[in-house]
Amino acid sequence: GQNIDQPTEMTATEGAIVQINCTYQTSGFNGLFWYQQHAGEAPTFLSYNVLDGLEEKGRFSSFLSRSKGYSYLLLKELQMKDSASYLCAVRAYGNNRLAFGKGNQVVVIP
Amino acid sequence: NAGVTQTPKFRVLKTGQSMTLLCAQDMNHEYMYWYRQDPGMGLRLIHYSVGEGTTAKGEVPDGYNVSRLKKQNFLLGLESAAPSQTSVYFCASSQREEGGELFFGEGSRLTVL
Repeated sequence: GQNIDQPTEMTATEGAIVQINCTYQTSGFNGLFWYQQHAGEAPTFLSYNVLDGLEEKGRFSSFLSRSKGYSYLLLKELQMKDSASYLCAVRAYGNNRLAFGKGNQVVVIP
Repeated sequence: NAGVTQTPKFRVLKTGQSMTLLCAQDMNHEYMYWYRQDPGMGLRLIHYSVGEGTTAKGEVPDGYNVSRLKKQNFLLGLESAAPSQTSVYFCASSQREEGGELFFGEGSRLTVL
């Protein structure tokens, strides 16, 4: 099975940087995804990591360390619209499914 | 450009009633999934399908049945609804290749009284 752990909530100021962590335990790791979910809406894809290192996409970056079972999502130049829940999801080899963490609620304040 | 469409968006049921949620995708995706999302629990996989005519159990399959008679449609059925099935249900689809992201429908909010 897969065990995915994320902190539950954090507050940050507009314009700041926030880091959201995700630790996981799985046999046969085959990729980690980050999704953003605004209240009352569907999750939307942010990033995908399968190799160690940093993937950058504009204001969002995602990092993976497979040996540590650890990933983080970095949000820079925070905007009010970034207030959302951020979901970490892991895929295992031979497994077509994604196992999701409980999500981390980020609240951006002026 | 519809993507993944779920119907209905909202439904209220009485305990013991049955209903079917319909998911349709127009992206020709092979894989389709049904998740439920509850406060503090995250997204949990109910059933999934890796192709037309195939279905498999996920993490929380009890009380639900599914069918994938056509590639573009994935139906989730509740034969005898229970209050514990009050939840928001999300359908998703993905392509076969490695790293294929999931595309989600807008969700269906179900309340069982």
